[in-house]
Amino acid sequence: DVKVTQSSRYLVKRTGEKVFLECVQDMDHENMFWYRQDPGLGLRLIYFSYDVKMKEKGDIPEGYSVSREKKERFSLILESASTNQTSMYLCASRIEFSGLFFGSGTQLSVL
Amino acid sequence: AQSVTQPDIHITVSEGASLELRCNYSYGATPYLFWYVQSPGQGLQLLLKYFSGDTLVQGIKGFEAEFKRSQSSFNLRKPSVHWSDAAEYFCAVVRMEYGNKLVFGAGTILRVKS
Repeated sequence: DVKVTQSSRYLVKRTGEKVFLECVQDMDHENMFWYRQDPGLGLRLIYFSYDVKMKEKGDIPEGYSVSREKKERFSLILESASTNQTSMYLCASRIEFSGLFFGSGTQLSVL
Repeated sequence: AQSVTQPDIHITVSEGASLELRCNYSYGATPYLFWYVQSPGQGLQLLLKYFSGDTLVQGIKGFEAEFKRSQSSFNLRKPSVHWSDAAEYFCAVVRMEYGNKLVFGAGTILRVKS
């Protein structure tokens, strides 16, 4: 079975902290994605990666960075967390022309 | 700019009744279209997808969707809703530039009353 694993289900951080959200997929997919989900706004793409060490900005990359050192792992980094980054973060992966496979999400609260 | 619109934020149907969730897209070329479902506390699960061919697509859990180019729509349907179908549903379309990013609609929350 396809599996995308996000390391934390819930996180609480303080304003200004550096935050790492980890995502691992076991399907050998080239493409990986980070979305944030907010009520009434649907899912908005933050960053995606189509290969190791490759990354592309999505629609809302400000305040975020990513790292993809290995094919199976795609990390989202909040350099200095702010309260407006409180959200549900969803990682996904896929191969070409397939739908996305999602992790269970990380609910991040920034206080 | 490409966008996906789900006009209904909430829909309530009775168990056993039929369901139709609306999705409209704006995109110049032939789109790749998807429907996802998200149950409370869960990630998103793919219900069905359309790339080409037959415009009526069958998915999992008894769902189907019909692509209508003339209306720029990809509505999701189910003939008889079960209480377990209560969830949030997202329509998505692929953006062909920059690695085929998916653009999502804002979602429709389905409530099922018994």
